[in-house]
Formats: sequence, C-alpha cells, structure tokens
Amino acid sequence: GDSVTQTEGQVALSEEDFLTIHCNYSASGYPALFWYVQYPGEGPQFLFRASRDKEKGSSRGFEATYNKEATSFHLQKASVQESDSAVYYCALNYGGSGNKLIFGTGTLLSVKP
Amino acid sequence: EAAVTQSPRNKVTVTGGNVTLSCRQTNSHNYMYWYRQDTGHGLRLIHYSYGAGNLQIGDVPDGYKATRTTQEDFFLLLELASPSQTSLYFCASSSDSQDTQYFGPGTRLLVL
Repeated sequence: GDSVTQTEGQVALSEEDFLTIHCNYSASGYPALFWYVQYPGEGPQFLFRASRDKEKGSSRGFEATYNKEATSFHLQKASVQESDSAVYYCALNYGGSGNKLIFGTGTLLSVKP
Repeated sequence: EAAVTQSPRNKVTVTGGNVTLSCRQTNSHNYMYWYRQDTGHGLRLIHYSYGAGNLQIGDVPDGYKATRTTQEDFFLLLELASPSQTSLYFCASSSDSQDTQYFGPGTRLLVL
C-alpha cells in the first residue's frame, strides 16, 4: 500500500546550519505531497504542499521539490533558527474520496543557539 | 486561520470505561477527521466524515466509533477502553477533498 518514509528520527543542528530532512514515498500515480510542522503542545500545522512532478513548495524559508523519478520530497532550509525546533511530518494524499493523508513517522529537529 | 477545538484536553479512564472525545470546527468545513499519534507511528487516521450523518472508516478503526452530529461537531467514542488506546488524539478539518487539513490542539487519553 501507499506509504511515506522519513529516514531521520532526530536531527540536531546549530543555528544557521543547513537542514535536510529526507522523505520518500511509495504510491501509484501522482499523490499530493505535504510537509506539516508540530510545535510542542500543539497540533500539526500545514507548512506547504506540491502536487506535480518538479513542483516546488515553500513556506517560512523551508522548501521541497516533488521528484517523481526518485519518489522523494526532501525538506530543506538554508539557515535554521532555534525557533524552528519542532517535529516535521511528511505526508501524502491518497484515496479517491476524502483528503486522506498518510503521514511519515516524523523527524524531531533540535536547533541549538 | 481555521479554528478547531477539542475537549477535554486530558482524560484518564480505566480499562473497560466509556470515553467520548469532542471536536468542533467553526469554519464551515465539510471534512472532519480523527487521528491518533503514537511514537514510532506518526499520525494514523481512525475515522473521517464528509458531512453531518456521514462516517467513513480510516486506517486504524478497531475499538473506535465516531459520529458527526452537525457540520461543526465530530465525536470519537471508545465504548470499552483498553490500555492500547492510550494515545494523543487529534481532530482535523478541511473544506474539500484536496484542501489543507487544520488540526486541533489534541486530547491526551490515558487508559489505566
């Protein structure tokens, strides 16, 4: 069945470091791909999405490009800040009816000042 | 920004107990969802609905019932709670089948 794999369970960086969180998916066709961010004590928040091959999604300095060939949607940010510390979830939309999302297991980002 | 509220925020019950989790959204969204969040599993879809009176089965429905009484209100019912249902539960809503989902703050449930 459809699935999302996030390679890193935890990432520890210092401020101004470059961030990459890897996301690979398994699905037929062209599912919509999403990144959500979850801060402590809150529900997940939509970050951005992409729906077509080579489409770039971006928000708040984060970006990811839909790569159909590599089945990937890796999250990147050029210079992280302490306030970016959170759990990041990659997700894909599947199913003909209803916006059903399959989430990856999440990546905890910790940024030291 | 869409508003989704959940109650209670925390709940403790015993094995075999009866629990109802409530969710309300005030943005006239058609779709509402219930997820559970567990370490190592991310978020998993329990049930969802695309309108009052409608219910669709999600990916981990066993042991859960749900009811959508109005466009705004979606309830998750655990009629015989078990320790395996100890989790953090999130409700979400979206306006249409391809739209962004907006999440509530979560309900932490502990089943002793």
